[in-house]
Amino acid sequence: AQKVTQAQTEISVVEKEDVTLDCVYETRDTTYYLFWYKQPPSGELVFLIRRNSFDEQNEISGRYSWNFQKSTSSFNFTITASQVVDSAVYFCALENDYKLSFGAGTTVTVRA
Amino acid sequence: DARVTQTPRHKVTEMGQEVTMRCQPILGHNTVFWYRQTMMQGLELLAYFRNRAPLDDSGMPKDRFSAEMPDATLATLKIQPSEPRDSAVYFCASGLVLGTGTYEQYFGPGTRLTVT
Repeated sequence: AQKVTQAQTEISVVEKEDVTLDCVYETRDTTYYLFWYKQPPSGELVFLIRRNSFDEQNEISGRYSWNFQKSTSSFNFTITASQVVDSAVYFCALENDYKLSFGAGTTVTVRA
Repeated sequence: DARVTQTPRHKVTEMGQEVTMRCQPILGHNTVFWYRQTMMQGLELLAYFRNRAPLDDSGMPKDRFSAEMPDATLATLKIQPSEPRDSAVYFCASGLVLGTGTYEQYFGPGTRLTVT
């Protein structure tokens, strides 16, 4: 069975602080893909990253970085020097046969 | 800037009425998904199509929901008759699935459905 757990329901930080979002997953597949999506207050789902299970290199894109650790089944997401525009709900997802199973989401609020 | 489009963006209807939601996938994408988002259940997959053929609709209540792709540029999700518990945001997503499995799944803006 596929399962994604985002234990943090809400995180509130002050602008310029770093924030790390946890994602833990369960799967029996040996090959799988992990995603992160952002859902701002406007409601759309914005694709952030897709990671192959064979690629454990950390990735950085601007102020975003991702830490994939297969040994602990985790795919954590860090926003460095957060900004008010980062306020959103962030979803981690696990792909099986091209279908996504989403975590419950973490609401991030960045205060000015 | 290619995007998935969905219409209508908002729909308010009375219980028992038919509701049709439309999605235009990104040109060239061969896979289309329908998801539903509610506070209680979060984001859940309802159905998906590959090259216009339905591959999996196990997440969809069969008695009242139906999904079709009349052509490569249009996917529809229909609810008949609608019930208050169907109130949710319905997202369409499209992706290009290649033999290597490489693809990205892009979401439309969603249709916010309220059934009274």
